[in-house]
Amino acid sequence: DTGVSQNPRHKITKRGQNVTFRCDPISEHNRLYWYRQTLGQGPEFLTYFQNEAQLEKSRLLSDRFSAERPKGSFSTLEIQRTEQGDSAMYLCASSPGGAEKLFFGSGTQLSVL
Amino acid sequence: GQQLNQSPQSMFIQEGEDVSMNCTSSSIFNTWLWYKQDPGEGPVLLIALYKAGELTSNGRLTAQFGITRKDSFLNISASIPSDVGIYFCAGQNTGGGADGLTFGKGTHLIIQP
Repeated sequence: DTGVSQNPRHKITKRGQNVTFRCDPISEHNRLYWYRQTLGQGPEFLTYFQNEAQLEKSRLLSDRFSAERPKGSFSTLEIQRTEQGDSAMYLCASSPGGAEKLFFGSGTQLSVL
Repeated sequence: GQQLNQSPQSMFIQEGEDVSMNCTSSSIFNTWLWYKQDPGEGPVLLIALYKAGELTSNGRLTAQFGITRKDSFLNISASIPSDVGIYFCAGQNTGGGADGLTFGKGTHLIIQP
């Protein structure tokens, strides 16, 4: 399978804990995006990378969120001191060019209790 | 910020019927995209539109980029059970380093056999 891979698929955590998600993009894609999706809503843009450089961050990405793509391949998204409002599906996507050619992963469903 | 209004919110139709849904924006987009999302999966790109007035087909799907650049519609002809899912429109504006998509809230399509 050469699609975008996200792990874990599901994560349940207690409020205040830290969580980290991983995304492996399609190998030849140089752009990687993170989106968040809550029930009944469309995906909301969080941030994106061109290779290892983080080029844009949305206002939704509070100080408790940090994303990295250290070698320009896989990416991690960490949420520190989770809150119940962080419960959502976190989607990763990659692209060979811009956002008009996104290939999404299956997402990580986060539940904060 | 930019907002996309997608309608209808949900549709209950019979198999074989044609479907029409649309998306309007308070501001102009350079690119309009239509995605389909199945439960527990990430969105999958159906059609991309790059020019005002453009009409593009993908099998039984047809989409148009409105001439005002503030709207788009998606038609599905002769619906089949596998068309069930949530359809999202998304708009893109590039420039100034911005490369995120703005998504609508989705149209939930339910087909009764």
